[in-house]
Amino acid sequence: ETGVTQTPRHLVMGMTNKKSLKCEQHLGHNAMYWYKQSAKKPLELMFVYSLEERVENNSVPSRFSPECPNSSHLFLHLHTLQPEDSALYLCASSQDQVGDYEQYFGPGTRLTVT
Amino acid sequence: AQKVTQAQTEISVVEKEDVTLDCVYETRDTTYYLFWYKQPPSGELVFLIRRNSFDEQNEISGRYSWNFQKSTSSFNFTITASQVVDSAVYFCALGYNAGNMLTFGGGTRLMVKP
Repeated sequence: ETGVTQTPRHLVMGMTNKKSLKCEQHLGHNAMYWYKQSAKKPLELMFVYSLEERVENNSVPSRFSPECPNSSHLFLHLHTLQPEDSALYLCASSQDQVGDYEQYFGPGTRLTVT
Repeated sequence: AQKVTQAQTEISVVEKEDVTLDCVYETRDTTYYLFWYKQPPSGELVFLIRRNSFDEQNEISGRYSWNFQKSTSSFNFTITASQVVDSAVYFCALGYNAGNMLTFGGGTRLMVKP
C-alpha cells in the first residue's frame, strides 16, 4: 500500500462512452501524474500537475481530459476513445514536481476499449 | 531528447543466481536523476532507488546493488542470490526538467525459477 489509490481497477467501455478514472493520494504530496502503459510502448507520461496546476501535457489527444480539483485528487476524463487507447493507466504522486523526489504509484486502472 | 534503453527484454534465472539488469541512458542535461522501479504482477510500480548525476557512488541495499557510471551513461542493477519473489518487471527511468518528468525504459521482465 503506497498511499495512492485508483478507481476503478478495471474498466471496459465502448468507443462512444464517457467515463472517468479517479486517483487519490494520502501522502500530502504536491505533484500528481498520469501515465499510460500499453503493451507495445514504454511507460508514457501523459499529464503532470503541481499544486493543482497543469505543468506538462505530452501531446496527449483531447479525448483525454485531466482534472485536478485539489492536491489530493486527480481525474482523467475519457470520451470517444479508440481501441488503441486500451492500456493500464497509472497515477503517481511525489512530494514536489521539481527535484529528485521519487514518485509513488497507484495500482492502475486496466482500461479496455471495445 | 531523453532516452532510456533496457536492452534485455526478458531474463530467466534459477533461484540463488546473481543477475544484472542493464540500463543505458541519453541526455544533454548536466543535472539529471536516475531511478529504478519494480512492477510486480499486481501492477503497482514500487520505487527502489534514485541517484542524481553528481553522485556516482555505488549503493548496496541488502541483496540489491546499483552501479552508476557516467562515463558509459549506465545505471545497472544487480540482484544477488535471487529469489522467486524478485520475479517482476524492472524499469529504469531518467528524470529531466529539474527532476520529476520521467522517461522510462522499456523494462526488463525477470523470471526467477525455483
